[in-house]
Amino acid sequence: AQSVTQLGSHVSVSEGALVLLRCNYSSSVPPYLFWYVQYPNQGLQLLLKYTSAATLVKGINGFEAEFKKSETSFHLTKPSAHMSDAAEYFCAVSGGSNYKLTFGKGTLLTVNP
Amino acid sequence: DTEVTQTPKHLVMGMTNKKSLKCEQHMGHRAMYWYKQKAKKPPELMFVYSYEKLSINESVPSRFSPECPNSSLLNLHLHALQPEDSALYLCASSQEGGGKTQYFGPGTRLLVL
Repeated sequence: AQSVTQLGSHVSVSEGALVLLRCNYSSSVPPYLFWYVQYPNQGLQLLLKYTSAATLVKGINGFEAEFKKSETSFHLTKPSAHMSDAAEYFCAVSGGSNYKLTFGKGTLLTVNP
Repeated sequence: DTEVTQTPKHLVMGMTNKKSLKCEQHMGHRAMYWYKQKAKKPPELMFVYSYEKLSINESVPSRFSPECPNSSLLNLHLHALQPEDSALYLCASSQEGGGKTQYFGPGTRLLVL
């Protein structure tokens, strides 16, 4: 079974500040880990995916995430927040032959001017 | 091209109506999904189709009836819905197998009166 915990349902940063969104996972098999972003009234867009090829994964829009097996974490970061980054962010896990994608509860990111 | 399209964008229906949601992808994916998303919540998996056959039904009420007429199309037939079924319905597709990236459509915003 897999599960995901996103710490902080709401994160607020100033424009230009570091963005850090936290995700911890639990998986009985080697996990596939994803970060998706959802803008208001839109579907989910893939930001990045961990597949065991590299622990530091670079995604779109300047985001990256680091897989830390010892901490069972996959935190999402961006060095400098932009107003356009304001959205809901979901961490998700999948594993083995399972089609199911288990989502965290989401973190709403607001960016203040 | 990683586009999944969904129609209609918005739908309002009464509890006695019959309507259908449509989803289409041309990425050659053989797995397709329906999700339901309530406000400020993560998507919840409803159905998974693999090679046009229903492989996962997450105990969804029978008033929701999925159909996969071919490898590119996925429908969700709605009948006798309840107001609590109002939500954003998301379609997704992926390559066959576990751990594959799911690509989401923009969703259909459904309101049941």
